Amino acid sequence: DAGVTQSPTHLIKTRGQQVTLRCSPKSGHDTVSWYQQALGQGPQFIFQYYEEEERQRGNFPDRFSGHQFPNYSSELNVNALLLGDSALYLCASSEGANTEAFFGQGTRLTVV
Amino acid sequence: RKEVEQDPGPFNVPEGATVAFNCTYSNSASQSFFWYRQDCRKEPKLLMSVYSSGNEDGRFTAQLNRASQYISLLIRDSKLSDSATYLCVVLYSNSGYALNFGKGTSLLVTP
Repeated sequence: DAGVTQSPTHLIKTRGQQVTLRCSPKSGHDTVSWYQQALGQGPQFIFQYYEEEERQRGNFPDRFSGHQFPNYSSELNVNALLLGDSALYLCASSEGANTEAFFGQGTRLTVV
Repeated sequence: RKEVEQDPGPFNVPEGATVAFNCTYSNSASQSFFWYRQDCRKEPKLLMSVYSSGNEDGRFTAQLNRASQYISLLIRDSKLSDSATYLCVVLYSNSGYALNFGKGTSLLVTP
């Protein structure tokens, strides 16, 4: 079992650009959540996807959007990147919403 | 005020010491509680869930006080491998499915 996999592992983008991060959930998991972790902070909830729909959203601007595919994999898109978007982006998958969430190793995004 | 607050840390302790981490949460509509462990530049991993009656897993003991909205984690006989950041996590019944994380407390166990 590969667990939760994310790509890419590291990314450097310029202010104003757009980025797409990808996540493959653990086998058997149908729910994917995305978190942003700034340096020295705990992860902050961005949104959760279930059955290809955004089920819940955290306090993030519309520049952050996502998608879930029929195979349960997911993408996180961020438009008009700001320096403050530099962070570790974590994907977590679970079987349903209220079971243990397993995290991927994250994508470290640096905006310059 | 953050919804989940933890000891600022860092905690530097010698091997074999006992160390305790505290966490308070502000939303009384709480549902589930967890401690996660995060190694440097790695993803968080579930250490243990926290139950109302308190629970123990080997050298780790978690306690919950709903009246005081307080959670604790006790680590006995610290090992070098316990060095990590410990994240207090609360799932609120009125906030759907989002895990609410504290900032984390850093632990360094020294020889």
